[in-house]
Amino acid sequence: EADIYQTPRYLVIGTGKKITLECSQTMGHDKMYWYQQDPGMELHLIHYSYGVNSTEKGDLSSESTVSRIRTEHFPLTLESARPSHTSQYLCASSERQLNEKLFFGSGTQLSVL
Amino acid sequence: KNQVEQSPQSLIILEGKNCTLQCNYTVSPFSNLRWYKQDTGRGPVSLTIMTFSENTKSNGRYTATLDADTKQSSLHITASQLSDSASYICVVSDRGSTLGRLYFGRGTQLTVWP
Repeated sequence: EADIYQTPRYLVIGTGKKITLECSQTMGHDKMYWYQQDPGMELHLIHYSYGVNSTEKGDLSSESTVSRIRTEHFPLTLESARPSHTSQYLCASSERQLNEKLFFGSGTQLSVL
Repeated sequence: KNQVEQSPQSLIILEGKNCTLQCNYTVSPFSNLRWYKQDTGRGPVSLTIMTFSENTKSNGRYTATLDADTKQSSLHITASQLSDSASYICVVSDRGSTLGRLYFGRGTQLTVWP
């Protein structure tokens, strides 16, 4: 059902490396989000965007940054990865209306050694 | 403090049996409540949405209920199948901001055995 894609699915890197997690959607949604999910825990919002050139930090303090140059693309970048960044990262999008349902990508499982 | 609590944390049932998952919330003001299903290694997928005025809503073998007075919701799964094995996440939205903030539960991990 979801036309939202994340790459890579899995990533294992060393400490200090710069990484970019890719997220693209073909549904024309204005709203896009990045969530962090650890096993047995709730999803935490780390970034969101209402549209092109609009980005905001979420609830969870994060050392990552995002950009929204095109409607369909919402990449997340870590300038210097640390073991504490090891987690599952989920990208999602929704329509403009308030409280519309989220469409999620399959996630990127990041492991920082 | 997490404003959405789900129970049980995990559940194992035999194929063909029914089960009920619970969600209690303290989010206020309330806008809606969604149940999502998350298969292992995948992102969550919306099953159903409950608004303030709705008590019951069905989606195939899934039936969600909402009691807005007690701030409780349940998800009932009938005649379970192996493919129902997943994490079921309750998500409550407020109407206190233009963002419509979302509050996530930690999920109930359901395992269906043959």
